[in-house]
Formats: sequence, C-alpha cells, structure tokens
Amino acid sequence: EIVLTQSPATLSLSPGERATLSCRASQTVNNYLAWYQQKPGQAPRLLVYGASKRATGVPARFSGSGSGTDFTLTISSLEPEDFAIYYCQQRSNWPPEITFGQGTRLEIK
Amino acid sequence: EVQLVDSGGGLVQPGGSLRLSCSASGFSFIKYGMHWVRQAPGKGLEHVSAISSNGGSTYYTDSVKGRFIISRDNSKNTLYLQMSSLRAEDTAVYYCVKDEIGDYAYYGMDVWGQGTTVTVSS
Repeated sequence: EIVLTQSPATLSLSPGERATLSCRASQTVNNYLAWYQQKPGQAPRLLVYGASKRATGVPARFSGSGSGTDFTLTISSLEPEDFAIYYCQQRSNWPPEITFGQGTRLEIK
Repeated sequence: EVQLVDSGGGLVQPGGSLRLSCSASGFSFIKYGMHWVRQAPGKGLEHVSAISSNGGSTYYTDSVKGRFIISRDNSKNTLYLQMSSLRAEDTAVYYCVKDEIGDYAYYGMDVWGQGTTVTVSS
C-alpha cells in the first residue's frame, strides 16, 4: 500500500499570505494524485487532479505541482474561505488501491 | 445538475446490518466506476470499496472484506453498500463518490454525495 504523508499537520497563516502544503508518497504514484479541500460538515471538494490540473471552477490561486513521490499544493494568496483541511489522494488503476494523506489543517493566524 | 444523494445510514447495534444507497443524476452513471469513502468522527478519509462501471469488478479495503458488499443497478442509477457484522470502528460518515481514470490519466474524485452517518453502538 502506498502511504501518503502530508506536512505540516497544521499551518497557521493570515489572509493574503502564501500557503505551501506538501504530500510525500512512499512509492512513485505516476501523477495519479489529487488534492481536496474539506470544510466542517461538508463533503470534500476536488481542487487538483493529475498532480497539477485545476478542477472545474477552482480559483487560479490554487496550483498543484510535483511528480514521482513529492507533490505540493500552493495557495498563492489566502482568502478567508480557504481556511479548511486539505487532503492529497492517490490511486492505482485496477485494483483501485486508493489512499489519502492524513490531512493538513490550514488555520487563521 | 450533477448530483449524488446518499441515504440509509442510522444507528445499529454491533453485529447488525445496514444498506446504504446512493442515487446519481446529471451524468451518465453507467460510464463511471464508483466508490464508497468513509470518515470516522474527527478523522481523515478512508477508501472503503469500489465497483467498475458495469459492476463486474469490485474492490474492498482489508478491514471490510467479507463483511461489506458493493453493488450497483445501472437501470436505476443507484449504488449500494450492504454492510453486515458491523463493528464500532465502522462508525463514520459514508460518502458515495464518482471518479474517472483513463489509461494514462487520473481525473480525481470529482463528485461526492453529501454523506450518510452510520453509528454502530449498543
């Protein structure tokens, strides 16, 4: 099983600042990697797929990068609505062994 | 509107059974593999089960093998999860999820149900 390790566990920043979230995989994931945002009481929302492609309707301040085992989600200038928990996720084709990182909590400083 | 609506959760005693349903609309359900993802209270996301677009192939995470059965009825645009021999550790919000994967690309889990809560307790 591929393990995804996210860092930091918690990130405290102010609106307008830049956020950099990391996701490291225990094995190469071939860019089959996605990022999600989850707010309290809501289902997760897809932000980035294929490591670097923004999902429909996602603001341009969100960007994904990386390859192989090291991936990053960057939020260029934080808006108040961006404070949430972020998860990375990978899958294999079939069988669909899907794993999520443990999450990074982005909180207001 | 593309939508997944989860239902069927509730309170059940340890060892009991429950069937979750997920009704899909706004997209061609028959074309996509589907998943169940759960989230225990205050915890992260865990992939539970998957089923191919035609229902011919299924996958389960180790902790639910032999206890959960995923199925789908493409004529009704509905996904199911039959859960039996339930344990306290199965307590979670269960989400029905659509994703898409190609031969050389992964498009992510782009549609999520609102979640249905399963509580296993005596």
